[in-house]
Amino acid sequence: DVKVTQSSRYLVKRTGEKVFLECVQDMDHENMFWYRQDPGLGLRLIYFSYDVKMKEKGDIPEGYSVSREKKERFSLILESASTNQTSMYLCASSLVPSDQPQHFGDGTRLSIL
Amino acid sequence: GEDVEQSLFLSVREGDSSVINCTYTDSSSTYLYWYKQEPGAGLQLLTYIFSNMDMKQDQRLTVLLNKKDKHLSLRIADTQTGDSAIYFCAEGDNNAGNMLTFGGGTRLMVKP
Repeated sequence: DVKVTQSSRYLVKRTGEKVFLECVQDMDHENMFWYRQDPGLGLRLIYFSYDVKMKEKGDIPEGYSVSREKKERFSLILESASTNQTSMYLCASSLVPSDQPQHFGDGTRLSIL
Repeated sequence: GEDVEQSLFLSVREGDSSVINCTYTDSSSTYLYWYKQEPGAGLQLLTYIFSNMDMKQDQRLTVLLNKKDKHLSLRIADTQTGDSAIYFCAEGDNNAGNMLTFGGGTRLMVKP
């Protein structure tokens, strides 16, 4: 079974802090994704990566950056956290062929005070 | 851009069938997915269907695709309280690699 692990289930940070969300997958997947989930808005793609050190902006990249130094790990960084970044963050990974589904972690519920 | 729409809420009684509907706008959609999210958890892939199929059945789950109307549905037979969750429809496009566009999710509540 594919395992996608997010480092924290719940996180509380303060406005202006630099926040790191970590995601690790154990299936040698090339693609990794970061989404945020807000009520009624579904999942919105923040960034994705199709290879080590490669990244592409998703639909809502503003205020975020990412890092992929190793294939199994994809980090989401909030450079200066703001209250409107309070959300559920979901990481996913997949193989390259386009018929391969994305597999999700359990999510990190982030609160910015 | 692509858009995927779902109703927000569905309530059924235990033992009844549930039908969750989804519409999408991208005519080049290649794969359509249903994910389930239980409280406090991530998304679990339930099933998916290729756009050249009309129907797919997997135990209690039946997926129907009307490509002409760009309408997808998920039917859950003999709905149980454990089926209470949020269900997300997502569409993928061969031309966009593994990029998915998600609907807003339908919250299914199953009453005993």
